Amino acid sequence: ELQLVESGGGLVQPGGSLRLSCAASGFIFNHHDFNWVRQAPGKALEWVSYITRSGEIIYYADSVRGRFTLSRDNAKKSLSLQMSSLRAEDTGVYYCVRVHEAGYHYGMDVWGQGSTVIVSS
Amino acid sequence: EIVLTQSPATLSVSPGERATLSCRASQSVGSNLAWYQQRPGQAPRLLIYIASTRATGIPARFSGSGSGTEFTLTISSLQSEDFAVYYCQQYNNWPPHGRTFGQGTKVEIK
Repeated sequence: ELQLVESGGGLVQPGGSLRLSCAASGFIFNHHDFNWVRQAPGKALEWVSYITRSGEIIYYADSVRGRFTLSRDNAKKSLSLQMSSLRAEDTGVYYCVRVHEAGYHYGMDVWGQGSTVIVSS
Repeated sequence: EIVLTQSPATLSVSPGERATLSCRASQSVGSNLAWYQQRPGQAPRLLIYIASTRATGIPARFSGSGSGTEFTLTISSLQSEDFAVYYCQQYNNWPPHGRTFGQGTKVEIK
């Protein structure tokens, strides 16, 4: 079964740090690029970051650049999103999302269940 | 920055009826547009990519059309499980500068 499982979310104070992980199973991990997409409570989806299958190219949304760091470990079939200098507006559900093997033109075809991050004092 | 505007914000439809959702881009995105469905309390699911191609396992009642700046998602006969929020997403500019998703259309039971 294709599966992405996020972990590491929780409550953190403004200015604090948190590390989200995404564990993949059921497919060939290094054949895919990945995204992180987040959703603030009651709001629309927001793209956060993208990493290519080799991990050599990484992109960030302007809203998180310089504060978030995305990495992957193909041997462990996992992704890691290190978040620092967290702000209230970073609150939301964070989804680990697989890009179709043929490339991003074919959509984000597998989504994790999400990990909730709450930034509050 | 490409902005996607979805309309209407909320669509009230009776089961069995047809639903037509719109997504308008502020500049041309070619056919580089996808649609996602998000049921309450669930993660989004890919429905359509390259504007009109159904993703694996998506029922034929879902269809996408359009190119350039005007796109439509049509659900031919609404089933109970189709009441959800639908998002369009452009990937003509990648990585995106600004928002890549529209603000969503909620399809609710009339």
